Amino acid sequence: GENVEQHPSTLSVQEGDSAVIKCTYSDSASNYFPWYKQELGKRPQLIIDIRSNVGEKKDQRIAVTLNKTAKHFSLHITETQPEDSAVYFCAPLYSSASKIIFGSGTRLSIRP
Amino acid sequence: NAGVTQTPKFRILKIGQSMTLQCAQDMNHNYMYWYRQDPGMGLKLIYYSVGAGITDKGEVPNGYNVSRSTTEDFPLRLELAAPSQTSVYFCASSPSSSDTQYFGPGTRLTVL
Repeated sequence: GENVEQHPSTLSVQEGDSAVIKCTYSDSASNYFPWYKQELGKRPQLIIDIRSNVGEKKDQRIAVTLNKTAKHFSLHITETQPEDSAVYFCAPLYSSASKIIFGSGTRLSIRP
Repeated sequence: NAGVTQTPKFRILKIGQSMTLQCAQDMNHNYMYWYRQDPGMGLKLIYYSVGAGITDKGEVPNGYNVSRSTTEDFPLRLELAAPSQTSVYFCASSPSSSDTQYFGPGTRLTVL
């Protein structure tokens, strides 16, 4: 079945420190792994994605790593800033149904 | 480009009433999606479409119907509204299943 687990559900870090959020999926055929950010009262927006032919992708302070063997991928945010405070969702693609399934979300808070 | 637009922004319904949530995109995307997001929760897929004339059920389709007569429009119909359908509804579109989903601003629906 389609199962996505995201941890932790809440995360509080000191400004300037790093944050890591992990997503575990069940479909071994998945080949697309995006992360979305949703600020309070706003719509979700893609911040980074990775495909199954690479193990890591970086975009400035944000990176995503993929472990296909273990069926998990992680979001890494370095040098956190107040504007990083938001809810983050992983959303792996379930290839058999051509749809993505959103994780339950991680609420990230940045302490000044 | 306007991107993905949704109307109305807010709506209050009485139990048993019906309504249609409108969604349109001007990016010529084949894929379109409807999600609901309950307060403090993640996104649940209601219905999706891979092209005009084709629709399929997501995780929580009961109580809803959709149609996709054109590439641009993907309306969501609520029949016999119930309090459990109180939520924020997001429409999204993407060029393919393994691509960025672009979200509309959302419709906040309350059923009393």
